[in-house]
Amino acid sequence: KQEVTQIPAALSVPEGENLVLNCSFTDSAIYNLQWFRQDPGKGLTSLLLIQSSQREQTSGRLNASLDKSSGRSTLYIAASQPGDSATYLCAVNHLGGATNKLIFGTGTLLAVQP
Amino acid sequence: EPEVTQTPSHQVTQMGQEVILRCVPISNHLYFYWYRQILGQKVEFLVSFYNNEISEKSEIFDDQFSVERPDGSNFTLKIRSTKLEDSAMYFCASKASYGYTFGSGTRLTVV
Repeated sequence: KQEVTQIPAALSVPEGENLVLNCSFTDSAIYNLQWFRQDPGKGLTSLLLIQSSQREQTSGRLNASLDKSSGRSTLYIAASQPGDSATYLCAVNHLGGATNKLIFGTGTLLAVQP
Repeated sequence: EPEVTQTPSHQVTQMGQEVILRCVPISNHLYFYWYRQILGQKVEFLVSFYNNEISEKSEIFDDQFSVERPDGSNFTLKIRSTKLEDSAMYFCASKASYGYTFGSGTRLTVV
């Protein structure tokens, strides 16, 4: 059974710092991996999608990497800003079952202090 | 940018009542999903829908739940007789090759 774990559960950094969020998954049979941002009480905003054949994706200050064989992904945020404060969710699109459903981690709650 | 739209944003219902949560997925997407998130817990898969039928459902999606795509644009989740433990945020999503797009969710509170 695919399990997705995110560490740390919470992180507080001063503005301007670079930071890394970690995601690990137990079964490497994935179609892709997607990072989302969730603001309190709100929906899920897609940040980056990495296909299983890719090693990384970049969007602005965000860079996501994928090492499928070791079951790991990282989300790197450069020059963090208070507006980056949110919960970051990693989800793997698992190969298996009739459809490729997303299996989510528990998230990392990020607070960027001004 | 295309969006997935969900209504209502918040619904309060009495235990035992039926609720219908509504979603308008992105028009050219073919796969549709419902997920839920109980407060403080992971986002969980409920059901996927393709070609006008359920393609997969989780163990959470019991006989109390049903989904429909009544008119080619709306996608609904019905809970027949709500329980307190159905209180959660319910997310609709649709999928294309570039990944999932989620709606902003419906917060369901069962009292």
